[in-house]
Amino acid sequence: DAGITQSPRHKVTETGTPVTLRCHQTENHRYMYWYRQDPGHGLRLIHYSYGVKDTDKGEVSDGYSVSRSKTEDFLLTLESATSSQTSVYFCAISVSGRVTDTQYFGPGTRLTVL
Amino acid sequence: AQTVTQSQPEMSVQEAETVTLSCTYDTSESNYYLFWYKQPPSRQMILVIRQEAYKQQNATENRFSVNFQKAAKSFSLKISDSQLGDTAMYFCAFMKGGSQGNLIFGKGTKLSVKP
Repeated sequence: DAGITQSPRHKVTETGTPVTLRCHQTENHRYMYWYRQDPGHGLRLIHYSYGVKDTDKGEVSDGYSVSRSKTEDFLLTLESATSSQTSVYFCAISVSGRVTDTQYFGPGTRLTVL
Repeated sequence: AQTVTQSQPEMSVQEAETVTLSCTYDTSESNYYLFWYKQPPSRQMILVIRQEAYKQQNATENRFSVNFQKAAKSFSLKISDSQLGDTAMYFCAFMKGGSQGNLIFGKGTKLSVKP
């Protein structure tokens, strides 16, 4: 257990509405990541952060934005949710402070966009 | 761009037997890391094992071991003495050294352990 929580754990929303998912860690790790998991695709990186207010895009960043105003929180926002964003979202952290260290994952958030 | 391929979408094994899951990857990098993650029905992603590319020795963790063939770009996972609790999706993942830690995952292999 790397002390990662995600909220909400499940959410159903309608197309066009904004959605924010939260990832919270308790141990001040520098590197945090957001992935999405879809059938047939494995996990794909959306955005990542290497410090407070330091973020960058991953492989599938279109339609998503992130913010990190505190070390412990990394927020993922869908400005206007679409059905293609129905997925399971995982947050991850690197625990040792080295960027190439092992990543540990939160429990995931299942998002359904109707 | 790096890619990770898991060619076995599903596999099954009898309890107490040994099973090997395949993973190949494509990269021009010499410095990288490889991982196997397990995802049981609870959906939690759990690290199984990690291998640094510069290490020739294959990583082991209890009943789990890898066969790392760098020249062939192959990274297979062997599970010995399979247990019912090993039933899960298994994902192979690649991370380039010097990157910001971006993990690239394969599509997974669904393993069923039968009593």
